[in-house]
Amino acid sequence: DVKVTQSSRYLVKRTGEKVFLECVQDMDHENMFWYRQDPGLGLRLIYFSYDVKMKEKGDIPEGYSVSREKKERFSLILESASTNQTSMYLCASRLWDRDGYTFGSGTRLTVV
Amino acid sequence: DQQVKQNSPSLSVQEGRISILNCDYTNSMFDYFLWYKKYPAEGPTFLISISSIKDKNEDGRFTVFLNKSAKHLSLHIVPSQPGDSAVYFCAASRSNSGYSTLTFGKGTMLLVSP
Repeated sequence: DVKVTQSSRYLVKRTGEKVFLECVQDMDHENMFWYRQDPGLGLRLIYFSYDVKMKEKGDIPEGYSVSREKKERFSLILESASTNQTSMYLCASRLWDRDGYTFGSGTRLTVV
Repeated sequence: DQQVKQNSPSLSVQEGRISILNCDYTNSMFDYFLWYKKYPAEGPTFLISISSIKDKNEDGRFTVFLNKSAKHLSLHIVPSQPGDSAVYFCAASRSNSGYSTLTFGKGTMLLVSP
């Protein structure tokens, strides 16, 4: 089974901090994604990557950046955390275009 | 602009009965649809999918129906079991910068009572 691992289950950070959320997949998947899940809003796409060093903006990229230096690792960066970035963050990967996603367990980030 | 809509935030069903979860979409460019199930504190897991060239797909207790003219799909779970209690997300696939990405609905929380 493909495993998508998010490094932290829970994080508490202060406003203005730079925050790194890490995601690693172990099955040589080409595509990786970052979503956030908020009550009443569902899952919204932040950024995605189709190859190493490649990134594309999703629907809500403001306040975020990403890094994909190695195929198995996709990092989400909050340059200056704000309270409205308190959310559940979900990383996903897939082998090919049109495949379903495999999700990680999520990181619940609280910004105080 | 919400392109994938799940208008029922929650649904309660008795064990053994049918659960029907509904999803509407507005973007006619969507051509592949998926359902995911999510338990608390876990990531969503893939349940079942359907291509726009089909109108029905079955997998065990789960059946997805697609009505393209109405831009509507539904997930039927028969018979429902308490372990099916979870949040169900409808997702639709479209091209984005030459690749496909998934757009999700807000989710429907299903509660199956014994």
